[in-house]
Amino acid sequence: EAQVTQNPRYLITVTGKKLTVTCSQNMNHEYMSWYRQDPGLGLRQIYYSMNVEVTDKGDVPEGYKVSRKEKRNFPLILESPSPNQTSLYFCASSEGLAGLKETQYFGPGTRLLVL
Amino acid sequence: AQKVTQAQTEISVVEKEDVTLDCVYETRDTTYYLFWYKQPPSGELVFLIRRNSFDEQNEISGRYSWNFQKSTSSFNFTITASQVVDSAVYFCALGSNFGNEKLTFGTGTRLTIIP
Repeated sequence: EAQVTQNPRYLITVTGKKLTVTCSQNMNHEYMSWYRQDPGLGLRQIYYSMNVEVTDKGDVPEGYKVSRKEKRNFPLILESPSPNQTSLYFCASSEGLAGLKETQYFGPGTRLLVL
Repeated sequence: AQKVTQAQTEISVVEKEDVTLDCVYETRDTTYYLFWYKQPPSGELVFLIRRNSFDEQNEISGRYSWNFQKSTSSFNFTITASQVVDSAVYFCALGSNFGNEKLTFGTGTRLTIIP
């Protein structure tokens, strides 16, 4: 079954404690992306990746890091989380070099609370 | 800079009524892509449609239809004969494809179908 998986689904942490949210897709997609969803703000793109070792900033990259060492995985790293990073996070992937030309498949979301 | 405006924050209609969700976008790109996504109460994001900027044909899929008008920079979504299962938050999104594959979402419209 084609899917995008995220782990963990729910996470409560404290300010400053490094964390990683994993994202994995089994569709051999080249394009992957991270979004955060906040009430009243819709979804905002954090980072995206066009292929292995190719990443770029979205609209709200501050406080986040990503890596793309393998095609299937695109982890989101919060080196020093702060309360303003409390949010619902979605990972997505799509096929093709021009990722936005194709359908994006979203993961189920990770709800993060930073105390 | 890209921008997507969904001016309708919340809409409620009685079941079987038709409803139109508005989406207005801003971009300087000559080639771009427009999307609609559905987020039901369960929280997942469901892709509905992708439209290329050079294709202004309207599209119909069952009870759903989309009206793309470049002249007014709008990409409106109509649900005909609404059903309770259509209750969700709907997001419109805009993407470019010139080596900068960012995706910009609107803030969403919460649609409630009253039985």
